[in-house]
Amino acid sequence: SQQGEEDPQALSIQEGENATMNCSYKTSINNLQWYRQNSGRGLVHLILIRSNEREKHSGRLRVTLDTSKKSSSLLITASRAADTASYFCATVRYSSNTGKLIFGQGTTLQVKP
Amino acid sequence: EPEVTQTPSHQVTQMGQEVILRCVPISNHLYFYWYRQILGQKVEFLVSFYNNEISEKSEIFDDQFSVERPDGSNFTLKIRSTKLEDSAMYFCASSAYQVEAFFGQGTRLTVV
Repeated sequence: SQQGEEDPQALSIQEGENATMNCSYKTSINNLQWYRQNSGRGLVHLILIRSNEREKHSGRLRVTLDTSKKSSSLLITASRAADTASYFCATVRYSSNTGKLIFGQGTTLQVKP
Repeated sequence: EPEVTQTPSHQVTQMGQEVILRCVPISNHLYFYWYRQILGQKVEFLVSFYNNEISEKSEIFDDQFSVERPDGSNFTLKIRSTKLEDSAMYFCASSAYQVEAFFGQGTRLTVV
């Protein structure tokens, strides 16, 4: 089964607007993480929300988690052109003595100046 | 700020050749990973490494792949005989507590 499927796949907004991306997952989780990837670059960790948390803020980022619906959302407020990137949610699957990240397909966000 | 560094940033190789992708994880991290991303697709887990041995590997990580931590600082991914379908971005990551992972900038491997 796939973990961490995002929607929409692509989002285009004007600078200053808010951007909301959603993520759904299938199995139980310990935590859910959001990463950003600028074009052709590495992944940057944005925020982690634990399964016993419902909402978390970090600067202009707001993440919610609904474990009953197995879904999470990432809100970027007052978007800037520099927020243009792909955003991925990821869940951690633990086995033996390590955990691995399972990524979704990502949402490509374009913020127009 | 400490970071994961990967070299080279871009590697072009002939099909059937061996390639070694290099990574220097963050120095006090204990968990190391390789992921790959085929163009336009999602990031996929390849292998995790802890305590000088492979902890888990995916179906992608077949006998053509191997990892090593030869000197306590570098972490390498070797592909013995590259195939066209190995063309992808390869990301190294490290983690201190298996929670937040720090990724390198990636190596773009092009097999021709």
